[in-house]
Amino acid sequence: DTAVSQTPKYLVTQMGNDKSIKCEQNLGHDTMYWYKQDSKKFLKIMFSYNNKELIINETVPNRFSPKSPDKAHLNLHINSLELGDSAVYFCASSPPPAFDPLYNEQFFGPGTRLTVL
Amino acid sequence: TQLLEQSPQFLSIQEGENLTVYCNSSSVFSSLQWYRQEPGEGPVLLVTVVTGGEVKKLKRLTFQFGDARKDSSLHITAAQPGDTGLYLCAGPQDSNYQLIWGAGTKLIIKP
Repeated sequence: DTAVSQTPKYLVTQMGNDKSIKCEQNLGHDTMYWYKQDSKKFLKIMFSYNNKELIINETVPNRFSPKSPDKAHLNLHINSLELGDSAVYFCASSPPPAFDPLYNEQFFGPGTRLTVL
Repeated sequence: TQLLEQSPQFLSIQEGENLTVYCNSSSVFSSLQWYRQEPGEGPVLLVTVVTGGEVKKLKRLTFQFGDARKDSSLHITAAQPGDTGLYLCAGPQDSNYQLIWGAGTKLIIKP
């Protein structure tokens, strides 16, 4: 049973297009995240949602808009794609960090490799 | 600002050798986590260290938390090709408990 799933696994698209990545978790977690991992493998937090509410919004262009229709889903919509958006995007989930800050484990999806041509 | 620095950035060794990778900070962390990310997958938690000086073992992997809780190390004995991956350390920020991530050590074990 997949804990955190993302679709699609691969996404190849042209500059200027709009695309969405979907994420679902069946772990019953209240908190979900979007990360971007660039070619140097640096993992950078983009957004964090707790119970469908945005709690972290790092310095990310407003072309990126997360949407959480319910606690189990956090989708990422990207408008007007640019070459620099090419990366692997990871969705993750965890219990609320404040619940057990020492042992708060994040569970990651398999990633979506986005290539913008 | 709390930061985590990992070293080395990249390590390639032969099967059977031993190695140590490091996660350092100038700030105190209440805990540190180590994750391994295999190619094409998301990171997976290996261990969490909480107490200064703590040592945890996971088969051939030994994790240590520094006495001052500012650093951690991961030692692998007799490395295997299956140990290949990106090793990431992460720790909770004091302000909001969100995880801060190191840049990772990319490890390749050659058969």
